[in-house]
Amino acid sequence: EDQVTQSPEALRLQEGESSSLNCSYTVSGLRGLFWYRQDPGKGPEFLFTLYSAGEEKEKERLKATLTKKESFLHITAPKPEDSATYLCAVRNTGGFKTIFGAGTRLFVKA
Amino acid sequence: DAGVTQSPTHLIKTRGQQVTLRCSPKSGHDTVSWYQQALGQGPQFIFQYYEEEERQRGNFPDRFSGHQFPNYSSELNVNALWLGDSALYLCASSPAGTPRHGELFFGEGSRLTVL
Repeated sequence: EDQVTQSPEALRLQEGESSSLNCSYTVSGLRGLFWYRQDPGKGPEFLFTLYSAGEEKEKERLKATLTKKESFLHITAPKPEDSATYLCAVRNTGGFKTIFGAGTRLFVKA
Repeated sequence: DAGVTQSPTHLIKTRGQQVTLRCSPKSGHDTVSWYQQALGQGPQFIFQYYEEEERQRGNFPDRFSGHQFPNYSSELNVNALWLGDSALYLCASSPAGTPRHGELFFGEGSRLTVL
């Protein structure tokens, strides 16, 4: 069964303190791996899609990477406005549903 | 350009009641998916509608049903509500002709509380 596991559950950083969020996945055939950002009380907002191992995508202070078993979301010099829950999700080649992990809650203190 | 809109934003029901949630997709999108998100959890796939048909369904009981209209808007119906149905219900739309690996555009959600 397809599965997504994210770690850590929560991460507290000081402003400017770089770190990484982990997403481990098991999927029968990877069609795409997605990263979303979710603010409290809001719907998830799309960040990146990665399709194959070795691929990388960047947006401002965020960089997503992909291996055959994991994806990492690297946050460089975070700011308080980066505080949110970051969700990892996968879609397999055989269907239409997107499977989400439980997310990592990121807190960045000024 | 309006994004995905959902209504109502909040509602309170009692056990055994029925609820209908509504979703209008982003302009140009023809595929609508519904997700349930419990507090502290990731969204769980309920089902997806395309061309007014349910295309795929997640592990949810038959109490959860849906509909898609010719204008691509959609409804989620939940019958015989119980306490465990309390959650944020998210609607997501995808562009017309989206490949299977396309990203989702989410609405703000409908927060359902069952007492």
